[in-house]
Amino acid sequence: DGGITQSPKYLFRKEGQNVTLSCEQNLNHDAMYWYRQDPGQGLRLIYYSQIVNDFQKGDIAEGYSVSREKKESFPLTVTSAQKNPTAFYLCASSSRQGTGGYTFGSGTRLTVV
Amino acid sequence: SQQGEEDPQALSIQEGENATMNCSYKTSINNLQWYRQNSGRGLVHLILIRSNEREKHSGRLRVTLDTSKKSSSLLITASRAADTASYFCATDPSGSARQLTFGSGTQLTVLP
Repeated sequence: DGGITQSPKYLFRKEGQNVTLSCEQNLNHDAMYWYRQDPGQGLRLIYYSQIVNDFQKGDIAEGYSVSREKKESFPLTVTSAQKNPTAFYLCASSSRQGTGGYTFGSGTRLTVV
Repeated sequence: SQQGEEDPQALSIQEGENATMNCSYKTSINNLQWYRQNSGRGLVHLILIRSNEREKHSGRLRVTLDTSKKSSSLLITASRAADTASYFCATDPSGSARQLTFGSGTQLTVLP
């Protein structure tokens, strides 16, 4: 079955640590996205990539970094520069034409301890 | 920035009743999409309506779009307890490279 997989489901980060969230898709989608969701809030765009080896900052990119070395993979690193990283992180993908909407992963809940 | 804003923020109805959620947005769009999110899970795409469409149906879902008022509504008919979830509208702005902007959502509770 085609889909998008995020791991881990839960992640705990100590102060000053960098952590990487994984996102893999087998839908052959060109575009991939990372969103952050805070409790009771909508989604805010962190980074997006429309093609391999290219990515763009979203609305809240500070303190985050990404790479897109393979079409299937779009990992997100939450760096120590992100002062309030506790949130629910959602990865999504879509075709270039975008006629079918986004497909989302099941999310990673990151908590700072 | 949040372009779409849903109204109401929360809605509680009895099973069998209809649920209506509204979304307003600010800029021109290519299309508007509705998504559903169960607690602690990812979003699921429900329906997409293009800027040149006024109404679209999918099963128990009916979506309308009024581009002159920059608003959309999602109607769920004959609601079920399993419809309990958060519902988000997302806009695909004109001229953009396909970056959806999501609203803050409506939390729907369907009571059995």
